[in-house]
Amino acid sequence: DAKTTQPPSMDCAEGRAANLPCNHSTISGNEYVYWYRQIHSQGPQYIIHGLKNNETNEMASLIITEDRKSSTLILPHATLRDTAVYYCIVGPHSGGYQKVTFGTGTKLQVIP
Amino acid sequence: ETGVTQSPTHLIKTRGQQVTLRCSSQSGHNTVSWYQQALGQGPQFIFQYYREEENGRGNFPPRFSGLQFPNYSSELNVNALELDDSALYLCASSLPQGVDEQFFGPGTRLTVL
Repeated sequence: DAKTTQPPSMDCAEGRAANLPCNHSTISGNEYVYWYRQIHSQGPQYIIHGLKNNETNEMASLIITEDRKSSTLILPHATLRDTAVYYCIVGPHSGGYQKVTFGTGTKLQVIP
Repeated sequence: ETGVTQSPTHLIKTRGQQVTLRCSSQSGHNTVSWYQQALGQGPQFIFQYYREEENGRGNFPPRFSGLQFPNYSSELNVNALELDDSALYLCASSLPQGVDEQFFGPGTRLTVL
C-alpha cells in the first residue's frame, strides 16, 4: 500500500551526481516527502524531507516538482559508501508518516 | 548519546512458538515504531507506541502485540509463529509527534522453521 513509485535499481559512477526519482502522484496537501536509505544489513537512515520547497542538507538535496507529484533526491558526489537501497515515502508531518509502509525502494549501485 | 539498540540480533524459532524482541530507544525519545521487513521488501509498519500506549497499528493480526515501558524501551511479542513471520524486525524511535527524523536500530533477524 505504498503511495510512491521508484525505479528498482540505478547505477552511478563514483564522484558523479546520483539523481534518484520518486513518483507520488496521489500526495495530499499535508503530506511531506521523506527519504531514507538502508545500507545492507543495517537499519534505515534518515536523509532528508520536504513539503514543497527544495531542501538541502549535508547529505543530499531534494527537488520537489511544483505540482508535488514527483521528487528527485540528489547525492551531489556519490561515493562507494552511498551504495544502498533508497526509500521515498510520504506522510503527514505530525507523527503520522512513521505509520506508513515503505515501498521496495531503489537499489543504488555506485561504481568505481 | 546512545543510539537505538535491539536484542537479540538473530534468533531461530519453530512454527507455533512465541517470541519476544526488545528495543531500547534513543535517549529522550518517547515514541517507538516497529516494522517487519521481509527479504527484498521495504519495511512494513506494525505498530507504534507513544507514552506507553499503542498509537496506531498496521495490517498485522492480534498475535503481534507490544509493550512500552516507563523508560520508553519497548517489546514486540509474536505468538503462534508462522513460517511467513521470518523477517528482519526493526524498531525506530523518535521525539514526540511532529518531529521529523526516526532513528532505526540494527534489527533482529527472526527465522521460523
